[in-house]
Amino acid sequence: DTAVSQTPKYLVTQMGNDKSIKCEQNLGHDTMYWYKQDSKKFLKIMFSYNNKELIINETVPNRFSPKSPDKAHLNLHINSLELGDSAVYFCASSQDKGSSYEQYFGPGTRLTVT
Amino acid sequence: AQSVTQLDSHVSVSEGTPVLLRCNYSSSYSPSLFWYVQHPNKGLQLLLKYTSAATLVKGINGFEAEFKKSETSFHLTKPSAHMSDAAEYFCVVSELFDFQKLVFGTGTRLLVSP
Repeated sequence: DTAVSQTPKYLVTQMGNDKSIKCEQNLGHDTMYWYKQDSKKFLKIMFSYNNKELIINETVPNRFSPKSPDKAHLNLHINSLELGDSAVYFCASSQDKGSSYEQYFGPGTRLTVT
Repeated sequence: AQSVTQLDSHVSVSEGTPVLLRCNYSSSYSPSLFWYVQHPNKGLQLLLKYTSAATLVKGINGFEAEFKKSETSFHLTKPSAHMSDAAEYFCVVSELFDFQKLVFGTGTRLLVSP
């Protein structure tokens, strides 16, 4: 069974559109994250949620809005897509108990904005 | 603020020869350090982690890393490279009081030739 899954795997859309990426984890973890990997492979955290509560919110445009319906899901909605939003978006989760807080990553969603 | 510097953007080795991927960190407090691997078009997989226990850390697939506080280094090594090791490797740091926030290095592309 896939531990952290994301849908879709690929997303091609035009500027100005609104799109969502879904993430689910079946590990029973308390915290979930969204990362953005740019064209140079640089990874940066965007958000983290712990038990549906926003914990980390890096400097990300307001067009990006995470939503956590329950602690197993963290979706990313993006409004008014721009060319610069093209990237690979990774979802991750962690348990955050003792030293066992390593993050488990999903396979990524490659977003291309044309 | 914590940061990591991966000293080589690309490392090329021949199959069967040793691998050395270099990482230096900067951290105000006791850091936790990780190495993640990303195979082409795949998500990130945790190779190993250091969390203030043993300074020599063994990971999966024969990789290991040594935490050297005096040198602020956490280099990744493997005695004998395999073709399947070809991937992007990321050195990552998080801090004791902000452990959910991972800070990634810029990555090192490992190329393995026959």
